[in-house]
Amino acid sequence: NAGVTQTPKFQVLKTGQSMTLQCAQDMNHEYMSWYRQDPGMGLRLIHYSVGAGITDQGEVPNGYNVSRSTTEDFPLRLLSAAPSQTSVYFCASSSRRDLPYEQYFGPGTRLTVT
Amino acid sequence: AQSVAQPEDQVNVAEGNPLTVKCTYSVSGNPYLFWYVQYPNRGLQFLLKYITGDNLVKGSYGFEAEFNKSQTSFHLKKPSALVSDSALYFCAVRVKTGANNLFFGTGTRLTVIP
Repeated sequence: NAGVTQTPKFQVLKTGQSMTLQCAQDMNHEYMSWYRQDPGMGLRLIHYSVGAGITDQGEVPNGYNVSRSTTEDFPLRLLSAAPSQTSVYFCASSSRRDLPYEQYFGPGTRLTVT
Repeated sequence: AQSVAQPEDQVNVAEGNPLTVKCTYSVSGNPYLFWYVQYPNRGLQFLLKYITGDNLVKGSYGFEAEFNKSQTSFHLKKPSALVSDSALYFCAVRVKTGANNLFFGTGTRLTVIP
């Protein structure tokens, strides 16, 4: 199993550009989430999904859009990048059906907005 | 609302000595608590969790954590530190979004000195 995969690994954008960060999981997990990691702030929840067609906002959703058309994929869209969105982005998935509830994280995408 | 505090940004310990990484939490209801580790330029790896039951939880790589309800703490411990344990450690509590999402502490960087 590949687990949770994310592409690209690195990305540099100019202010105002748009892009999509890809996330896929092959564990048939119902739940998927996006976090951003900033120095000294831990990880903060951006958006999450409890299943295909269902998404909701987390702690820091502004400037980001998500959709969940399949169980496997959960892309994160930046419509107009801003320097404040420079961060490392992690996608995570977990199962609704099975204990013990832990989330499985992808390797991350390091985004720089200039 | 929930909160997680990791009071030490940095912990240094000599190889072979015991290590402790501190975490305190505040949640309503019963807490589901987790420790994750992040090696340089990598995603987060699950170490251990407390859901219910025995207050001493054993996890991966020889780590354990003690849940203390009266002190609202969940400190991570290891009897004998290895240089390879050097990494960034995050304590987290599950939030009630219905998707196993986590609220993270700010992280503690552990350095094991040879």
